[in-house]
Amino acid sequence: NAGVTQTPKFQVLKTGQSMTLQCAQDMNHEYMSWYRQDPGMGLRLIHYSVGAGITDQGEVPNGYNVSRSTTEDFPLRLLSAAPSQTSVYFCASSTPGTETQYFGPGTRLLVL
Amino acid sequence: RKEVEQDPGPFNVPEGATVAFNCTYSNSASQSFFWYRQDCRKEPKLLMSVYSSGNEDGRFTAQLNRASQYISLLIRDSKLSDSATYLCVVNTGGNNRLAFGKGNQVVVIP
Repeated sequence: NAGVTQTPKFQVLKTGQSMTLQCAQDMNHEYMSWYRQDPGMGLRLIHYSVGAGITDQGEVPNGYNVSRSTTEDFPLRLLSAAPSQTSVYFCASSTPGTETQYFGPGTRLLVL
Repeated sequence: RKEVEQDPGPFNVPEGATVAFNCTYSNSASQSFFWYRQDCRKEPKLLMSVYSSGNEDGRFTAQLNRASQYISLLIRDSKLSDSATYLCVVNTGGNNRLAFGKGNQVVVIP
């Protein structure tokens, strides 16, 4: 099993550009989440999904969209990148009831 | 008040020594508690769950104090490989929604 994979590993964007961060898991986990990690802030939940077709907002959803058309994939879209979205983004998955979250390796995003 | 609070440190620990740190949580209804480890520029990984009766995994001991709403992690006989950031994580409700602390940075010194 590859676990949770994320692409790209690094990305540089200009303000106003859009892009999609990809996340996939091969563990058949129902729950998937997106976090951002900033220095001194800890991990903050952006959006999460409890199953295909179901998504909900987390703590910091503004400027981001998600969809969950399959169990395996949970892409995160930046609609119009801003310098405040410079961060490290982690995708995670878990199974209901176990609460252990498995994280992907992260995407480092720099918005100029 | 933040859901989970930790003193970020760093905690500089001589090799072989014991280090302990706490984290406090604000939601008294929280049911599940965890310590995750995060190495520099890597993703967080589960270190251990924290049970009401306390639990031990090798050199690591976790405790929960519900009355004072804090959990603790103790590392005995510190190794250089223990250098990492330890994240306190609390399940704040349903749907596996977790709140993360900022982490305690541990640096083990030879």
